[in-house]
Amino acid sequence: AQRVTQPEKLLSVFKGAPVELKCNYSYSGSPELFWYVQYSRQRLQLLLRHISRESIKGFTADLNKGETSFHLKKPFAQEEDSAMYYCALSGRNFNKFYFGSGTKLNVKP
Amino acid sequence: DVKVTQSSRYLVKRTGEKVFLECVQDMDHENMFWYRQDPGLGLRLIYFSYDVKMKEKGDIPEGYSVSREKKERFSLILESASTNQTSMYLCASSLGGADSFTYGYTFGSGTRLTVV
Repeated sequence: AQRVTQPEKLLSVFKGAPVELKCNYSYSGSPELFWYVQYSRQRLQLLLRHISRESIKGFTADLNKGETSFHLKKPFAQEEDSAMYYCALSGRNFNKFYFGSGTKLNVKP
Repeated sequence: DVKVTQSSRYLVKRTGEKVFLECVQDMDHENMFWYRQDPGLGLRLIYFSYDVKMKEKGDIPEGYSVSREKKERFSLILESASTNQTSMYLCASSLGGADSFTYGYTFGSGTRLTVV
């Protein structure tokens, strides 16, 4: 069965420090992985997707099929990065996404 | 440029009431979804729809039903509201097929439902 695990409910870092939000998944086929972000009082929005291999707002994520992980990284955190981050998975044959429980990132000044 | 609109931002209902949550999208998306968002549990899929008049159960459909009479509108119905249905409800839409991987979901701003 498909499952997305985000082990950290809360991650606090200081401004300028590196940040890594962990995401592990289980899926029997070849999934597509995504990160969504929800800033305070805003709607949930797509941050980045594995299929595009992009860097958005300084964030990158590498799919490690051996470790079944898709960790989100940024070398220098900014206060405006404070938000709720959700890792999500979708199978190639389906249009629905499975979400992790979310990690709240708090970047301290 | 709001693209997925949920009719109510906050809603308070009494136990046993029938509750309707409305969602409208203007992007001509094939797929529409209802999730509930709870702290520590993330987003859990209630129901989704791939086409007009088509619906499929998600992971937690008990106590809910849905209606999709028009492509742009997807309604979530709580037949008899209970206190454990107090939650934030998120509607989302997406293009069909491989485009959903390219563009992901577009979410509404959510409806915070409190059942007393």
